[in-house]
Amino acid sequence: QVQLQESGPGLVKPSQTLSLTCTVSGGSIRSSDYYWSWVRQPPGKGPEWIGYIYYRGYSYSDPSLQSRAAISLDTSKNQFSLNLTSVTAADTAVYYCARVASVTKLDYWGQGALVTVSS
Amino acid sequence: DVQMTQSPSSLSASVGDRVTITCRASQSIYTYLNWYQQKPGKAPKLLIYAASNLQSAVPSRFSGSGSGADFTLTISSLQPEDFATYYCQQSYSTPRTFGQGTKLEIK
Repeated sequence: QVQLQESGPGLVKPSQTLSLTCTVSGGSIRSSDYYWSWVRQPPGKGPEWIGYIYYRGYSYSDPSLQSRAAISLDTSKNQFSLNLTSVTAADTAVYYCARVASVTKLDYWGQGALVTVSS
Repeated sequence: DVQMTQSPSSLSASVGDRVTITCRASQSIYTYLNWYQQKPGKAPKLLIYAASNLQSAVPSRFSGSGSGADFTLTISSLQPEDFATYYCQQSYSTPRTFGQGTKLEIK
């Protein structure tokens, strides 16, 4: 059974960089069958897709984030990460990591990590 | 970006009821449509993928249909554990986008 777990600071100051890591267990992020994704959910709102990465290093992030988001892999640790620069209060959300199967469906999710942007 | 619109935004129903939730895309997405269930404080859970395929271990009272731009999620006989928020998501193009959600409440 694949499990994903987010980790990182719960509080980030405005204009700084939000950094989160997702540790995958029960499966390898080097598998050619899956992509690995980040999704966030602002308080009281629906999920927002941030982007995904493939084990060969190809990544895609939502253009609406204006190039602030970067997703990377650490295959030696079976982890992938999200860096979101120049954060504002609008980036306050629960951040989820998830596995993408068949390029299309988010079939396993982490429990989520609340990140608050505040001074 | 493909916009996803769900209706209704909220719905009250009773245990045993048949419930249908609708999702409309701003363009054709063929059958690249997934449905998720989310309970408070929990991550979304995949129910239906590719419009009509039941994810493993999901009860058969859940079903999905549709193609092109119009889709439905049906729960044939509501159970107490089904009261939650439901989201559709398109996987036809990037960025992937979600609907705004349908909150299913107990009547």
